[in-house]
Amino acid sequence: DAGVIQSPRHEVTEMGQEVTLRCKPISGHNSLFWYRQTMMRGLELLIYFNNNVPIDDSGMPEDRFSAKMPNASFSTLKIQPSEPRDSAVYFCASSLGTGGYEQYFGPGTRLTVT
Amino acid sequence: GENVEQHPSTLSVQEGDSAVIKCTYSDSASNYFPWYKQELGKGPQLIIDIRSNVGEKKDQRIAVTLNKTAKHFSLHITETQPEDSAVYFCAAINAGGTSYGKLTFGQGTILTVHP
Repeated sequence: DAGVIQSPRHEVTEMGQEVTLRCKPISGHNSLFWYRQTMMRGLELLIYFNNNVPIDDSGMPEDRFSAKMPNASFSTLKIQPSEPRDSAVYFCASSLGTGGYEQYFGPGTRLTVT
Repeated sequence: GENVEQHPSTLSVQEGDSAVIKCTYSDSASNYFPWYKQELGKGPQLIIDIRSNVGEKKDQRIAVTLNKTAKHFSLHITETQPEDSAVYFCAAINAGGTSYGKLTFGQGTILTVHP
């Protein structure tokens, strides 16, 4: 299995631009998670989906952030407009289910907003 | 909600020594405790986990212990090797509860193993 696939691996953009991060979960997994990692705040859960339905988006920092999962094999995290404080590494993870199942993380997207 | 505290934030050991990382959690309903290892430039990877119905679990050089009464759990790495150098995260969740799926992570421990 190829594991969780994320693209792009690196993104550099200017403040105010729209950014779209993409994720392909492991085939057969029905739960998908978006995390953000920074030195200051550590690893934060932004939103997670179960069977393509958003379950908890309480971690999404503000309305500039949105996430979709149109089908079982694809999800996007969009930031519009982006700000310098959004600079971080964004991880996507998937699992067989919610709760006590191993979450498999992708390699992450390093976002830099100048 | 759940709160997980992890200590120490950095740990430096000599190759062959043991390393111990400790975490405490606040929600007594939490019943699943995974440990993740994150190498530079990569996503976290599960290395071992424990459920609340057992007190200890071992996998070769790594082991995890759980004290439900005190609400703390620890990662033990014996005979450390340079390739063990990484950031380690503990996490907790009430698997099957209303916050299902929402792992709460500790702040991370940077482990450095000197040859």
